[in-house]
Amino acid sequence: NAGVTQTPKFQVLKTGQSMTLQCAQDMNHNSMYWYRQDPGMGLRLIYYSASEGTTDKGEVPNGYNVSRLNKREFSLRLESAAPSQTSVYFCASLGVGTTNTEAFFGQGTRLTVV
Amino acid sequence: KNQVEQSPQSLIILEGKNCTLQCNYTVSPFSNLRWYKQDTGRGPVSLTIMTFSENTKSNGRYTATLDADTKQSSLHITASQLSDSASYICVVSAHTGGFKTIFGAGTRLFVKA
Repeated sequence: NAGVTQTPKFQVLKTGQSMTLQCAQDMNHNSMYWYRQDPGMGLRLIYYSASEGTTDKGEVPNGYNVSRLNKREFSLRLESAAPSQTSVYFCASLGVGTTNTEAFFGQGTRLTVV
Repeated sequence: KNQVEQSPQSLIILEGKNCTLQCNYTVSPFSNLRWYKQDTGRGPVSLTIMTFSENTKSNGRYTATLDADTKQSSLHITASQLSDSASYICVVSAHTGGFKTIFGAGTRLFVKA
């Protein structure tokens, strides 16, 4: 049981380049999330997917697109990377029950845009 | 507006000492509150979860308290260890048909020998 797996772990992009961050979970969770975490700051929600086939904007969606490929996978795409997108990106999936709203996080992708 | 505010922003303590981290929230309708520990370069990991009816919950040297009336929570760490150096994030969930989860900015704890 791997939990939440993100790839790649590190990436350096030039301004204007595009890339896709991959995320997969094996816990059969419906909800998946993409966050970014800048130095000294908390997690900020970029996009989320409450269930397969649906996606919604979070707090900071500009410059990003997402795709919920199936229940397991939720990818984040940067079409034209900018230095302001230098950050650590975390994917999470959410187990939901009566009281269980524990989010399980991947290890993060450290992205640098030069 | 749903918000979660944590204090202090950062804290330095000596190994073996105790400390308390604070979390105030305005999330409504309240469902539960979790404290997460985030080691540097890693994703957050859940420490405790508290629902409306729970006042105190412990996980080893970590004790979380919740006052649902004043909308405040605290995380007390006893006999700190160097491995406690991390960010501690307060996360509050609201039940609005589905679940809405709000993250605090975290408290950065440094434990020094």
